[in-house]
Amino acid sequence: DGGITQSPKYLFRKEGQNVTLSCEQNLNHDAMYWYRQDPGQGLRLIYYSQIVNDFQKGDIAEGYSVSREKKESFPLTVTSAQKNPTAFYLCASSIDRWGGRNEQFFGPGTRLTVL
Amino acid sequence: SQQGEEDPQALSIQEGENATMNCSYKTSINNLQWYRQNSGRGLVHLILIRSNEREKHSGRLRVTLDTSKKSSSLLITASRAADTASYFCATDGYTGANSKLTFGKGITLSVRP
Repeated sequence: DGGITQSPKYLFRKEGQNVTLSCEQNLNHDAMYWYRQDPGQGLRLIYYSQIVNDFQKGDIAEGYSVSREKKESFPLTVTSAQKNPTAFYLCASSIDRWGGRNEQFFGPGTRLTVL
Repeated sequence: SQQGEEDPQALSIQEGENATMNCSYKTSINNLQWYRQNSGRGLVHLILIRSNEREKHSGRLRVTLDTSKKSSSLLITASRAADTASYFCATDGYTGANSKLTFGKGITLSVRP
């Protein structure tokens, strides 16, 4: 089965703790993205990577970090510096580095709750 | 910043009726895409229309694009209860090397059986 997997589906974190969300794709796509979704706000871009070992900040990168050491993996770390981390996090990929020119494929999402 | 603005924010119709959703945007685009999201799930791509296209069809979906008015519409014909979902438009405002999508806030569609 080709696709994007995100784990875990639900994640609970105590304030002050860092947490890493996993995103893996076996579509052989070059570009990968992390979005945050809050109720009534739509999707906002956190970070994106157009190629291995390279990534750029999106619109709301503060308090987050990423790495792209392998083509198929793009983990997102939510740090304690993120003031309001409770949200639904979506990972996506697209076939080439020109992410807007083609459709994006989304994972099932991770719902993070900070207690 | 969000480029696409969908209208209406919520729509409730009877099964079998048509559903029309609109999206307006502010700057020039290369393409506009529509996505569907079922509650608590990831987004699913529905259709992509390029700036030099005016209309596209995919099954029961019809998308139009008017670049002079900076607007697009998504029509779902003969709606079904399974079409109940949120629908998002996304625009590709190409600015060189960092082409990326900008999503609107979405439209919640409820189809009553």
